[in-house]
Amino acid sequence: EAGVAQSPRYKIIEKRQSVAFWCNPISGHATLYWYQQILGQGPKLLIQFQNNGVVDDSQLPKDRFSAERLKGVDSTLKIQPAKLEDSAVYLCASSLGPNYRAYEQYFGPGTRLTVT
Amino acid sequence: GESVGLHLPTLSVQEGDNSIINCAYSNSASDYFIWYKQESGKGPQFIIDIRSNMDKRQGQRVTVLLNKTVKHLSLQIAATQPGDSAVYFCAENISDAGNMLTFGGGTRLMVKP
Repeated sequence: EAGVAQSPRYKIIEKRQSVAFWCNPISGHATLYWYQQILGQGPKLLIQFQNNGVVDDSQLPKDRFSAERLKGVDSTLKIQPAKLEDSAVYLCASSLGPNYRAYEQYFGPGTRLTVT
Repeated sequence: GESVGLHLPTLSVQEGDNSIINCAYSNSASDYFIWYKQESGKGPQFIIDIRSNMDKRQGQRVTVLLNKTVKHLSLQIAATQPGDSAVYFCAENISDAGNMLTFGGGTRLMVKP
């Protein structure tokens, strides 16, 4: 079974530039998550999708971050404009759905973003 | 707000010894507690979970203990191997809160050959 795919793996941009990350979850997984992981810390949830609807985006900085999952499969996370403090690894995860072991999430390898 | 945390940032053990990684939590409403392992350059990997109405659960070489009285969670790894070297996170899940995970800060386990 293929895992969660993410691209790119690494990205370096200057502050005030824009960047987009892509995620393809495990086939059949209805729930998709985006996390931000700052070096030395645990992942922090940014947004959770159930199919193509947003379940929770309370920790997403909506003035600069946006995410979509238009067809209920792939998802993109965008930052515009980027700030220095956005430097982190952005992890995508998926799970089967809300009714069975929703806490068992499968993570992709992440995208390491460096903002200079 | 309430959060999950860890006592020790780094744990160094000899290969073959048992490892114990600890975690303190503060949200008594959590339904499940989960341990994830994160190797360098990879995303976290699910290891084992325990429901809040249990106090012990065993897996392959791993045991999780839950003490709700003192809000403490631990992960025991038997016969630690070099492949166990990673950062370990505990996380808590509240089913009524959209099944979101709240992660602690992580403990780095280093296995000496």
